[in-house]
Amino acid sequence: EIVLTQSPGTLSLSPGERATLSCRASQSVSSNYLAWYQQKPGQAPRLLISGTSFRATGIPDRFSGSGSGTDFTLTISRLEPEDFAVYYCQQYGKSPLTFGGGTKVEIK
Amino acid sequence: EVQLLESGGGMVQPGGSLRLSCAASGFTFNIYAMGWVRQAPGKGLEWVSGLSGGGASTDYADSVKGRFTISRDNSKNTLYLQMNSLRVEDTAVYYCAKCKGGTCYSAFDYWGPGTLVTVSS
Repeated sequence: EIVLTQSPGTLSLSPGERATLSCRASQSVSSNYLAWYQQKPGQAPRLLISGTSFRATGIPDRFSGSGSGTDFTLTISRLEPEDFAVYYCQQYGKSPLTFGGGTKVEIK
Repeated sequence: EVQLLESGGGMVQPGGSLRLSCAASGFTFNIYAMGWVRQAPGKGLEWVSGLSGGGASTDYADSVKGRFTISRDNSKNTLYLQMNSLRVEDTAVYYCAKCKGGTCYSAFDYWGPGTLVTVSS
């Protein structure tokens, strides 16, 4: 099973600041099959990025993904008030599909 | 507009059974793989099961293998999860999710609002 470790657990930032979230895999993720999701309290997750760097429909370009192999990053260039949420990475290249433990982006 | 709506959650005793349903609309259901993902209270996301568009290929997390069965009725645009021998640790919100492709080795691009399953005596 591919274990995904997200860091930091919590990121305290102000609106307008840049957020950098990390996702490290215990083994190489096949074909960079890595996705990122945003989840707000009481809501279902929302797909932000798939295939490491491809934004989903309707996702603003302040969200970007990068990485390869075992190290992946989600960057939010300038935080908007609606971006404060929990973010999960997921690998879907190998069964079982696995999620990271999440990074909470909170208002400083 | 893609819509997914789960139903069938509730409270059940350990060892009991429940069947979850997910009604889908707004896309060609039989082309896309579907999956179930759960989230225990206050915890992260856990993939549970996936099923290909045609229904021939299934996959399960080890934690539910042999107890849960995923299926679909493409004539009704509905996905199911039959859950037997339920355990306290199966307590979670269960989300139905659409896969981006025909197999569930893809990201989940749409999610339902979830249905709560509580296993307790």
